[in-house]
Amino acid sequence: DQQVKQNSPSLSVQEGRISILNCDYTNSMFDYFLWYKKYPAEGPTFLISISSIKDKNEDGRFTVFLNKSAKHLSLHIVPSQPGDSAVYFCAASRTGTASKLTFGTGTRLQVTL
Amino acid sequence: SAVISQKPSRDICQRGTSLTIQCQVDSQVTMMFWYRQQPGQSLTLIATANQGSEATYESGFVIDKFPISRPNLTFSTLTVSNMSPEDSSIYLCSVSPGTVIHEQYFGPGTRLTVT
Repeated sequence: DQQVKQNSPSLSVQEGRISILNCDYTNSMFDYFLWYKKYPAEGPTFLISISSIKDKNEDGRFTVFLNKSAKHLSLHIVPSQPGDSAVYFCAASRTGTASKLTFGTGTRLQVTL
Repeated sequence: SAVISQKPSRDICQRGTSLTIQCQVDSQVTMMFWYRQQPGQSLTLIATANQGSEATYESGFVIDKFPISRPNLTFSTLTVSNMSPEDSSIYLCSVSPGTVIHEQYFGPGTRLTVT
């Protein structure tokens, strides 16, 4: 039972354009969502998060949008840079579950010149 | 964020043997976790390493197969016991410093290949 899904395994975007990565979840008890970036041979790096009491959180080039009614979140990267090429995972957690994270399957982003 | 190191970074092991992976954090942390990432798959939580008590395992993972120790607030080990090729994965430890409890920071991972 995949509670967090990233339906696009890969995405290619030109440098300077916007990258939009999507994530859907099924468990309505999730109330905190995170995005991680992973380079090969490295551990995931925390990027940005959002609480369910918000619908948007912004940090520099990265913005996360949350649509609770649709159980959908997205990560926008603008402008995209070649160094953003990596696998992006969304993750979800639930207050009271001792920080346990449930991860999506990941989307590989390729930013081309 | 905390600096996390893991040893070994990679290993190739024969089936039936065991491997212990170490995770060291540069500061005291409340929560430590162990994850597995099988080839082409997502990260799956194995267990929460509790300081001074037995680890809390997720469904599908048992202590006999993945014994965990956490002797203090900066260190933990995960042992993969009686290995089979299906255990070939990347094993990652993570920590939650506790200031924003949902956020976790990951070590570089241990790439294990079982032949």
